[in-house]
Amino acid sequence: DVKVTQSSRYLVKRTGEKVFLECVQDMDHENMFWYRQDPGLGLRLIYFSYDVKMKEKGDIPEGYSVSREKKERFSLILESASTNQTSMYLCASSPPDRVREKLFFGSGTQLSVL
Amino acid sequence: GQQLNQSPQSMFIQEGEDVSMNCTSSSIFNTWLWYKQEPGEGPVLLIALYKAGELTSNGRLTAQFGITRKDSFLNISASIPSDVGIYFCAGLQGAQKLVFGQGTRLTINP
Repeated sequence: DVKVTQSSRYLVKRTGEKVFLECVQDMDHENMFWYRQDPGLGLRLIYFSYDVKMKEKGDIPEGYSVSREKKERFSLILESASTNQTSMYLCASSPPDRVREKLFFGSGTQLSVL
Repeated sequence: GQQLNQSPQSMFIQEGEDVSMNCTSSSIFNTWLWYKQEPGEGPVLLIALYKAGELTSNGRLTAQFGITRKDSFLNISASIPSDVGIYFCAGLQGAQKLVFGQGTRLTINP
């Protein structure tokens, strides 16, 4: 069974901390994505990657960066966490062909920034 | 960024009732998708639609790709408790840009 694993289910951090959210997929997918989910706003794309060491900005990249050193791992980095980054973060992956839109999601990381 | 307007935002229904929700946009999409997110989990793909006018079923779920390519509809027949969750529509523009709606939270009274 396909699996996208996010390293933490819940995280509590302080304002100004550097935060790493880790995501690993075991499906050999080329494409990986980071979304944040907020009530009433749906899912918004932060960053995505179509290949190792490649990254593209999504709709809301400000305050975030990413790293993809290996195909199976995609990390989201909050350089200096702020309270407005309190949210549910969802990682996803998809295969490279025309079904790229068929995303497989992890269970999410609920981040609270105090 | 591009927005999809999904409605209703929430629904409270009795078990056994039918459910309808929709998603509209001012832009054209070439693919429409419907995802379901259960509590504590990530969204899971339910149905994918690729052609204007297409009607596709997945068990008690039926989704349609609007003829104008600017909207999509999801119906659930004879709802059961495990249908509870948040339903998201998503539209694909070109080959890369996937846009999500705000979600419809479905609550079912047994």
